Amino acid sequence: DIQMTQSPSSLSASVGDRVTITCRASQGITNYLAWFQQKPGKAPKSLIYAASTLQSGVPSKFSGSGSGTDFTLTISSLQPDDFAIYYCQQYINYPLTFGGGTKVEIK
Amino acid sequence: QVQLLQSGAEVKKPGASVKASCKASGYTFANYYMHWVRQAPGQGLEWMGMINSSGGTTTYAQKFQGRVTMTRATSTTTVYMELSSLRSDDTAVYYCAREGCSGGSCYIDYWGQGTLVTVSS
Repeated sequence: DIQMTQSPSSLSASVGDRVTITCRASQGITNYLAWFQQKPGKAPKSLIYAASTLQSGVPSKFSGSGSGTDFTLTISSLQPDDFAIYYCQQYINYPLTFGGGTKVEIK
Repeated sequence: QVQLLQSGAEVKKPGASVKASCKASGYTFANYYMHWVRQAPGQGLEWMGMINSSGGTTTYAQKFQGRVTMTRATSTTTVYMELSSLRSDDTAVYYCAREGCSGGSCYIDYWGQGTLVTVSS
């Protein structure tokens, strides 16, 4: 199975900050990488697929990059609605596997 | 708009089975695969498997092989996930999630609201 490792596991940031989350795959996954946002008590929401393509309706303040084994999710200007847990997921191989999540909290 | 409406919360005893449903609407059901992902309390996301909504073929995570069965009913655009021999560590929210495709890449794009399954004696 492909292991997905996210860092940091949590971070504190202020409204307006630029935030970057890293995801590393245990083997190359080209760009078969998705990002999800989950708020407390809610289902995950799909943000990005193919490492850098925004899902329909997702604001452009979210961006993704990377290829191979190293990927990043960037939120350009953090807003109160962005405080959540973010997960990466590889979909090049079964079983699909997720990173452990990064909790973005208010400083 | 795409909607995945899941069945309500369940409480089961250890050793029992649970069958959750996910009714799809807003798109052509047979054209998309459906995945099931679970999340234990305070934990991350865990993929369980997927079903081809058209032909009904399935792919399961090895961890759940022999205990999980995914089926679909095309007439009602509903997919089902049955998990047997329940244990306390199966307590989790179970999500269905649609797989969309674009540019030769297929990925999860929509999620159901989740079904809480509690396993307790």
